[in-house]
Amino acid sequence: AAGVIQSPRHLIKEKRETATLKCYPIPRHDTVYWYQQGPGQDPQFLISFYEKMQSDKGSIPDRFSAQQFSDYHSELNMSSLELGDSALYFCASSTGTPNYGYTFGSGTRLTVV
Amino acid sequence: AQSVSQHNHHVILSEAASLELGCNYSYGGTVNLFWYVQYPGQHLQLLLKYFSGDPLVKGIKGFEAEFIKSKFSFNLRKPSVQWSDTAEYFCAVKDASGGSYIPTFGRGTSLIVHP
Repeated sequence: AAGVIQSPRHLIKEKRETATLKCYPIPRHDTVYWYQQGPGQDPQFLISFYEKMQSDKGSIPDRFSAQQFSDYHSELNMSSLELGDSALYFCASSTGTPNYGYTFGSGTRLTVV
Repeated sequence: AQSVSQHNHHVILSEAASLELGCNYSYGGTVNLFWYVQYPGQHLQLLLKYFSGDPLVKGIKGFEAEFIKSKFSFNLRKPSVQWSDTAEYFCAVKDASGGSYIPTFGRGTSLIVHP
């Protein structure tokens, strides 16, 4: 069965550089959520989109932005990267009313050096 | 706002031992409850979920959890763990009234099972 696809799997960037993470939800899922998981930390919600509109906002820094496109894939854009941005970034998808839990992607491991 | 407390941060067991991971939440309304598992280097996977009905929920891989409303708890159990159960376990709670689609995650419990 199709899963949530994230790319790239690993990314190494230098401080002050930019990064773009991509998420392709499960077919017919119209909602995408982004989470950041630091080492040994629980997943922290960043932002979500429903039908290409931002639906909820969590602890996303102002240096980050995201959007959902017409094919429902989403991109998380990160600028002026800091060492503290090194983390695992998960995307999850669901239908509009996610009472069934999310389906998570495998994540992108971002390392800022 | 909800908060989720997982009491045990690290649990070490031998194979065939029984497991119980505690999860308590603070929210007075109706909730949806979830347990996720994260195997080393992998993504979060849903183990089981509770919305309504029978408070004893069966999940994948022999896991179960019991919702005790009076105790605001949703403890995860498995009668006999295996080495392959070594992973991080996250409890999550979501407001079921539809006010938010975002669950709140606990800090996680790291389980190590010795063969």
